[in-house]
Amino acid sequence: EPEVTQTPSHQVTQMGQEVILRCVPISNHLYFYWYRQILGQKVEFLVSFYNNEISEKSEIFDDQFSVERPDGSNFTLKIRSTKLEDSAMYFCASSEALVNGYTFGSGTRLTVV
Amino acid sequence: AQKVTQAQTEISVVEKEDVTLDCVYETRDTTYYLFWYKQPPSGELVFLIRRNSFDEQNEISGRYSWNFQKSTSSFNFTITASQVVDSAVYFCALSEYTSGTYKYIFGTGTRLKVLA
Repeated sequence: EPEVTQTPSHQVTQMGQEVILRCVPISNHLYFYWYRQILGQKVEFLVSFYNNEISEKSEIFDDQFSVERPDGSNFTLKIRSTKLEDSAMYFCASSEALVNGYTFGSGTRLTVV
Repeated sequence: AQKVTQAQTEISVVEKEDVTLDCVYETRDTTYYLFWYKQPPSGELVFLIRRNSFDEQNEISGRYSWNFQKSTSSFNFTITASQVVDSAVYFCALSEYTSGTYKYIFGTGTRLKVLA
């Protein structure tokens, strides 16, 4: 069964450093998403992406965040200057059509120290 | 605003007991989707079911069953004859359509502990 692949599975970074979280969505999917889950809390929407642009972003997705689909297969989330409160599990998801359910990746656990 | 409430923070049951996880939602949309996801200790989100707002039939899949009641805005999940492997956090989610995209609104989750 097709999967959404996220790398790395766990990343530790120093506060203030830039991080890039990588995702490979399912190949024929057109809609892409990032969600975040702070430890022990609920999963929260960050951003959706379609046709090479952001469709919607949440209040969490401030100027420190950016997304990109650099080469037609990868979908990345960049955090420019990480803060301690960015420590969380980040999930990538994709869907084939607007009304289809998502397929989530297995997540990247980001730890900012 | 759209909202999903999972009032049960944690439930403990003994193996083979039945357990029901509650989910209540609020939405202004007439068309929407409801989901259940399982999050085992390893952290990934495992899709369990998607139900659209026009389909109020209950669904059964093995030991899992779902009761969708539009009149009470509830989408409850029952595990029959629970097993230790069912121990996980379970999230209910609601789709919200805005700005040309569907995003999911998750509940706070219910941690299920099944004791041997």
